[in-house]
Amino acid sequence: GAGVSQSPSNKVTEKGKDVELRCDPISGHTALYWYRQSLGQGLEFLIYFQGNSAPDKSGLPSDRFSAERTGGSVSTLTIQRTQQEDSAVYLCASSTDVNQPQHFGDGTRLSIL
Amino acid sequence: GDSVTQMEGPVTLSEEAFLTINCTYTATGYPSLFWYVQYPGEGLQLLLKATKADDKGSNKGFEATYRKETTSFHLEKGSVQVSDSAVYFCALRNTGGFKTIFGAGTRLFVKA
Repeated sequence: GAGVSQSPSNKVTEKGKDVELRCDPISGHTALYWYRQSLGQGLEFLIYFQGNSAPDKSGLPSDRFSAERTGGSVSTLTIQRTQQEDSAVYLCASSTDVNQPQHFGDGTRLSIL
Repeated sequence: GDSVTQMEGPVTLSEEAFLTINCTYTATGYPSLFWYVQYPGEGLQLLLKATKADDKGSNKGFEATYRKETTSFHLEKGSVQVSDSAVYFCALRNTGGFKTIFGAGTRLFVKA
């Protein structure tokens, strides 16, 4: 399809395990964003990529969180040693550039047992 | 820091009722303002936007006017439909910035 694709759509894992979430942006979109949406909360900005570079990582909640983007396309968000408070929907969005509207994926629902 | 505050939901209306969802913001400079909508089972999508004071964004019968004097961007629709049932998010992005700040969302239920 032509939209932002995220995988997996759902992930259930045990506390302490590492998880990797994937985002495939719309082809040609240089800007890519990760957000977290906890139950009943708004979207919390995590990180932004322009190409393969992340100018601002200050939104990442802790050093257990990391993200990378290769080839200016696919991005992965990795959470190490997961905790129950990491349970949320993780949303990815992309845009042609930072001033253009963001197109969102359907998200990955992460549940930590 | 920059922030967005929107009215708590859920908001329940009958079909053809008038809708207002309040949104106010705090920001330095001159932000762009957005309303996003998330229909049941679907991803977030942009509903409308306004990039400068007094601009009115509109789409699908929804409107919002950028009011700098009251730092508001209230969402309105004259006659809601059942298909408008969704969660609505107000958001801002500051000039030259990349970070979009979202409100907590307002769930709208429209009854037939």
